[in-house]
Amino acid sequence: GEDVEQSLFLSVREGDSSVINCTYTDSSSTYLYWYKQEPGAGLQLLTYIFSNMDMKQDQRLTVLLNKKDKHLSLRIADTQTGDSAIYFCADLNDYKLSFGAGTTVTVRA
Amino acid sequence: NAGVTQTPKFQVLKTGQSMTLQCAQDMNHNSMYWYRQDPGMGLRLIYYSASEGTTDKGEVPNGYNVSRLNKREFSLRLESAAPSQTSVYFCASSSSNTEAFFGQGTRLTVV
Repeated sequence: GEDVEQSLFLSVREGDSSVINCTYTDSSSTYLYWYKQEPGAGLQLLTYIFSNMDMKQDQRLTVLLNKKDKHLSLRIADTQTGDSAIYFCADLNDYKLSFGAGTTVTVRA
Repeated sequence: NAGVTQTPKFQVLKTGQSMTLQCAQDMNHNSMYWYRQDPGMGLRLIYYSASEGTTDKGEVPNGYNVSRLNKREFSLRLESAAPSQTSVYFCASSSSNTEAFFGQGTRLTVV
């Protein structure tokens, strides 16, 4: 969507870290999300962060939020072949949930 | 636990035909959403409903209508289908300010 922007592609070697970036426009967004979509499937929530937090860690996933720059990132440590998917950033503002175009992550051996 | 159920899973329409995509959730969520997903464009919000009895336009509402029949159900209607509406449609629901749960999608082709 026009309110949330992401780069479209990322290629990473297995075992390396992946970093997916996202920018959003609305400073009153309350929650920001990362979703994962595997081929032919629906969207699965990976993690989310409340807008008053700077960082959230959940196993191999680290979310960083820079509210001043309206920048969100998702770091996946020790990337595996099963992490190949499309990753969507989304923000929630006044009940409206808007998504970015998605970043296609390809993990190479 | 069914979660969000969309029907049908696949549909082929001729240009000008009408149809309704159905969505139901059993999680007692207030908010429901309809998105379309097209290659390279991510998910674009068509309409959403913050609560029973209310609906609002999203980014791409033209050519669609919605109905929040009750708290469980949120339908999307195409009155006169066009090839530009060929897409994968996703319904989602959420309670206030938390995770949105998605249906498995409806793959619609308009010929």
